[in-house]
Amino acid sequence: GDSVTQMEGPVTLSEEAFLTINCTYTATGYPSLFWYVQYPGEGLQLLLKATKADDKGSNKGFEATYRKETTSFHLEKGSVQVSDSAVYFCALSKDNNDMRFGAGTRLTVKP
Amino acid sequence: DTAVSQTPKYLVTQMGNDKSIKCEQNLGHDTMYWYKQDSKKFLKIMFSYNNKELIINETVPNRFSPKSPDKAHLNLHINSLELGDSAVYFCASSLPTLTAATQYFGPGTRLLVL
Repeated sequence: GDSVTQMEGPVTLSEEAFLTINCTYTATGYPSLFWYVQYPGEGLQLLLKATKADDKGSNKGFEATYRKETTSFHLEKGSVQVSDSAVYFCALSKDNNDMRFGAGTRLTVKP
Repeated sequence: DTAVSQTPKYLVTQMGNDKSIKCEQNLGHDTMYWYKQDSKKFLKIMFSYNNKELIINETVPNRFSPKSPDKAHLNLHINSLELGDSAVYFCASSLPTLTAATQYFGPGTRLLVL
């Protein structure tokens, strides 16, 4: 079945470091891809998304490009802040009712 | 205004009890979901309802029964609670588009079964 694999955490970075969280997917057809973020004690919220190959999603300095040839959707940010500390989930969906999430990657940014 | 709300936020109960978690969304969405997040943050869909009709019912014990009185509400009733039911339960909602539908999550209900 369709699935998402993301790099295991936890990831610990210093403020202003470059961030990459890897995500690859397995799916038939043409899924849409998402990154969600979960701050401590809260629910998930959408960070960015891409609906077709070569699309780039971006928000709050984060970016991810839908790469069909490598079945990847890696999350990047050029300079992380302490406030970016959270758990990040990669996800895919082919229709409205079935979103598949990765296992989540915990990011801690230290001052 | 809270878009997706859940009550209660915390629930501590004994094994064998029956409990309910309520979810309401004021976004006008037709589709609602229940997810279970375990202690390792792994998130798994349990149910999906579209306009009060069950769409997805993953492999979930039949002790779990969702109820949708109207399209703005999706409640989760759990019978005969077990230790393994301890988790965070999230409600979510979305529009019924074919692709790239953003799901909006509630704040979660932290269930602890003793």
